[in-house]
Amino acid sequence: DQQVKQNSPSLSVQEGRISILNCDYTNSMFDYFLWYKKYPAEGPTFLISISSIKDKNEDGRFTVLNKSAKHLSLHIVPSQPGDSAVYFCADPPCQGGSEKLVFGKGTKLTVNP
Amino acid sequence: DSGVTQTPKHLITATGQRVTLRCSPRSGDLSVYWYQQSLDQGLQFLIQYYNGEERAKGNILERFSAQQFPDLHSELNLSSLELGDSALYFCASSVEPTGWNSEAFFGQGTRLTVV
Repeated sequence: DQQVKQNSPSLSVQEGRISILNCDYTNSMFDYFLWYKKYPAEGPTFLISISSIKDKNEDGRFTVLNKSAKHLSLHIVPSQPGDSAVYFCADPPCQGGSEKLVFGKGTKLTVNP
Repeated sequence: DSGVTQTPKHLITATGQRVTLRCSPRSGDLSVYWYQQSLDQGLQFLIQYYNGEERAKGNILERFSAQQFPDLHSELNLSSLELGDSALYFCASSVEPTGWNSEAFFGQGTRLTVV
């Protein structure tokens, strides 16, 4: 069964510093992983993705790294107070694999001014 | 605005009752997902439909059911409600059920409170 684990429920960083959020997965064919960001009282919104054939994907201040087998990380540099949200790592359906879009439990990021 | 519409936004009901949550996917999206987010919990996958057919099932209770209609909107029915069913229920949609481009767009959620 697919499992996506985000072992840090919360993270607090100072504005301007780097935020690193981690994601571990099991039993995935790992073609493609997604990161979502969620503000309170809103639905999650897609942030950035990475495919298994890449070591990294950058989009502005956000970078996803395919660090090692079964481990991903999301880097936010520099962190801003507006980045304070819950970040979810997600394992989407893939051809020949599970049909489910599976999310981790999320990491609540707080960026202090 | 993600283009996914969920109604109602808030719902308060008593234990033992039955409620229906509604989701209209983005225009052109054939796949609909339902998720439950309880306090301090992540997004728990409930069920997925694609073009009217059930495609995947997660941790959905037998008291819960869902369907996707020919116009592609979906409804999640929750019956014999218990206090523990109080949660945010999210609907998401995507173009396809599988493949690389499986980014899903989420609605604002329905907050269900069972009293």
